[in-house]
Amino acid sequence: NAGVMQNPRHLVRRRGQEARLRCSPMKGHSHVYWYRQLPEEGLKFMVYLQKENIIDESGMPKERFSAEFPKEGPSILRIQQVVRGDSAAYFCASSLAARTRTGPPSYEQYFGPGTRLTVT
Amino acid sequence: AQSVTQLDSHVSVSEGTPVLLRCNYSSSYSPSLFWYVQHPNKGLQLLLKYTSAATLVKGINGFEAEFKKSETSFHLTKPSAHMSDAAEYFCVVSPEGNTPLVFGKGTRLSVIA
Repeated sequence: NAGVMQNPRHLVRRRGQEARLRCSPMKGHSHVYWYRQLPEEGLKFMVYLQKENIIDESGMPKERFSAEFPKEGPSILRIQQVVRGDSAAYFCASSLAARTRTGPPSYEQYFGPGTRLTVT
Repeated sequence: AQSVTQLDSHVSVSEGTPVLLRCNYSSSYSPSLFWYVQHPNKGLQLLLKYTSAATLVKGINGFEAEFKKSETSFHLTKPSAHMSDAAEYFCVVSPEGNTPLVFGKGTRLSVIA
């Protein structure tokens, strides 16, 4: 069973270009989360999606950033007109939709390897 | 609101000596708590998790953590450090259900030969 997959692993963009980051969740997972890690910092939540729905985008900048998780295909995080401050590692995580049968639900999130975006 | 405080940004230990990485949390609900490890330029790997079962949680690679509700702490320990343990460690709280994780700022562990 393949884990969470992200591509590309490294992405270089010039200022003003668009960046598209892809995330394929684990098989059977219908919840996807995007996090951003700036240099020397922990991960910060950006957006939480289920299939075809954005559940929580409270961590996403209001402008230039958008995310989708279509019925078919990977989740996409899109950054338009990138600036140097967008340079970061972007991690995707996925989790199960259903509660576990026994014990409290853990909703463990499984992380992908990340996409390292560099804006020149 | 939920938050996590990792009390040390950098910990340095000698190989073979114990490791202690400190974490305090704040949560309005009964939280799930996690420790993740990140090796340089790699993704995150789950070390262990607490989900209101046993308060002493054993994880991979000899790590364990103890949930202490009275102290709102979830410190990570290992009896004997190995060179391969050098990495960034994140304490994480998940308030409930399918909600976003809240990360601490991380503790960088260095292991000296």
